[in-house]
Amino acid sequence: DAGVTQSPTHLIKTRGQHVTLRCSPISGHKSVSWYQQVLGQGPQFIFQYYEKEERGRGNFPDRFSARQFPNYSSELNVNALLLGDSALYLCASSHRGGQNQPQHFGDGTRLSIL
Amino acid sequence: AQRVTQPEKLLSVFKGAPVELKCNYSYSGSPELFWYVQYSRQRLQLLLRHISRESIKGFTADLNKGETSFHLKKPFAQEEDSAMYYCALGFGNEKLTFGTGTRLTIIP
Repeated sequence: DAGVTQSPTHLIKTRGQHVTLRCSPISGHKSVSWYQQVLGQGPQFIFQYYEKEERGRGNFPDRFSARQFPNYSSELNVNALLLGDSALYLCASSHRGGQNQPQHFGDGTRLSIL
Repeated sequence: AQRVTQPEKLLSVFKGAPVELKCNYSYSGSPELFWYVQYSRQRLQLLLRHISRESIKGFTADLNKGETSFHLKKPFAQEEDSAMYYCALGFGNEKLTFGTGTRLTIIP
């Protein structure tokens, strides 16, 4: 099992642009969560999806959105990029939502905003 | 609001010496506490969770609700313990609140 896979690994964008990050969970995992990790900080929760429904949302502006597909993969979208959006974006999957299941993290997508 | 505090950004310990990584949390309910670890060039991974009350790689952590702490301990440090350690607080919907992390370096 390859574990949680994220694409792309690195991305460079300019201010005002839009970005889509992708995540494939571990086979059999139905819950996907997204985190933002700014340099020197711990990961900060953005969204959690379970069975294609949003189950949790962190303190992020509406420029951030996400969705989960029938195959349980997920996309994180960020509009009108700001310099402060530069970070490592982590995806994590778990078997079931709402049960405090251990989360399995991917390697992340490093997003740089110029 | 929930918060996790890891007061030490860096911690250096000699091989064979005891290790204690501090974690304090603030939350009015009954959260679940975790320790995650990231070794060099590896993914963030779960080390242990308080409800399991198990020892992983020689590490243990006890939840102290009175002091709102969840310190990570190991009696004898090994070189392979060098890594970044994050304390995290979880809820029913798996929204994890992480601390800022402690980089542990084991001195040979």
